[in-house]
Amino acid sequence: AQSVTQLDSQVPVFEEAPVELRCNYSSSVSVYLFWYVQYPNQGLQLLLKYLSGSTLVESINGFEAEFNKSQTSFHLRKPSVHISDTAEYFCAVILGTDKLIFGTGTRLQVFP
Amino acid sequence: DAGITQSPRHKVTETGTPVTLRCHQTENHRYMYWYRQDPGHGLRLIHYSYGVKDTDKGEVSDGYSVSRSKTEDFLLTLESATSSQTSVYFCAIKGDGDTEAFFGQGTRLTVV
Repeated sequence: AQSVTQLDSQVPVFEEAPVELRCNYSSSVSVYLFWYVQYPNQGLQLLLKYLSGSTLVESINGFEAEFNKSQTSFHLRKPSVHISDTAEYFCAVILGTDKLIFGTGTRLQVFP
Repeated sequence: DAGITQSPRHKVTETGTPVTLRCHQTENHRYMYWYRQDPGHGLRLIHYSYGVKDTDKGEVSDGYSVSRSKTEDFLLTLESATSSQTSVYFCAIKGDGDTEAFFGQGTRLTVV
């Protein structure tokens, strides 16, 4: 069973518009949830994470994600995107003994 | 940047030949992972290691083997490469008790 599902493979958006990238997880998995970002021709880097506590987590570059247990979701949002946000975004979970599993990714394309 | 190096960065090999990819870290992290990245599939876990000589299978382990004889090196071997193993391979490391994983720059493998 898929542990993490990203519903959108591509999201095109104009600069300064809001964006939401969707992520749903299987209710059987632990609730360590992550968003990673991959810029062109690079490895992945952590954007933000939810471990416990406040259900709203933020990154330093304006992204935020909200852990919603009832909807088993961890959607990523930004109120106003920039050209430089163009990248692929991956939702991820940790299973069992630190097995890190990723979703299929969402390619965010920001147009001027 | 986390001290993680993948080698080689690019390789072209023929079907049926053995191939070994190397991941080297200088962080003394306990966990090491090998992923492959393919369009439409995101990152899929091949194998991971939770200590020297301790490894476990991931989502797509068939056709791959790994070894970790010392903390700093995690080797991925394709015993007999096939065209379906053409992909970009990423190594990642994570400390014990940490939740953030750090990624290498990737190895682009082409099997012809």
